[in-house]
Amino acid sequence: GENVEQHPSTLSVQEGDSAVIKCTYSDSASNYFPWYKQELGKRPQLIIDIRSNVGEKKDQRIAVTLNKTAKHFSLHITETQPEDSAVYFCADSKGGGSNYKLTFGKGTLLTVNP
Amino acid sequence: GAVVSQHPSRVICKSGTSVKIECRSLDFQATTMFWYRQFPKKSLMLMATSNEGSKATYEQGVEKDKFLINHASLTLSTLTVTSAHPEDSSFYICSAPDRLGIGYTFGSGTRLTVV
Repeated sequence: GENVEQHPSTLSVQEGDSAVIKCTYSDSASNYFPWYKQELGKRPQLIIDIRSNVGEKKDQRIAVTLNKTAKHFSLHITETQPEDSAVYFCADSKGGGSNYKLTFGKGTLLTVNP
Repeated sequence: GAVVSQHPSRVICKSGTSVKIECRSLDFQATTMFWYRQFPKKSLMLMATSNEGSKATYEQGVEKDKFLINHASLTLSTLTVTSAHPEDSSFYICSAPDRLGIGYTFGSGTRLTVV
């Protein structure tokens, strides 16, 4: 995509609470929206992704919602645990798994306090 | 499946020298490899896209003569940082479309420190 805005840049929650991270994108041709978790010095780890033909996807405590009209998508983590603490990046692409590049948001540092 | 092996994981080099970073797709053929750079507490910024058998495509502001990319085979792409300077110190990471055509697989990254 052309540009991906991510908010907030930092998020601190108490263990057990929910965390929500939001991203907006500008390229209307984008159709693949992954979320990555990155720990210090490690590679990004895919935690969930969604394609443009779906509005919501859930995997246990993690869910992603997509609003194509408004060009935004959100990550929802419920029942947060200290091990969820990491930097989370959203990204978009014109074609997941293709020769189209990923454009990343600036990241959100999530801290889950015990 | 869809593993990209990246080496070295860490390298320290002197200013003015060159460093080569390799990314190998172990169990699939990667016709495209994306090269990202990540400064501390920052996001991944795409530097260039390499395509097997053709010239790499560089993002705006990235010096192609300084960051040499070669994609000579379907399983190997390399990034060479030439005439390294301390400001080139960063985390470099490669990524390729996975073999299922669903998402992307990342190398483990290279921490480059130029002294």
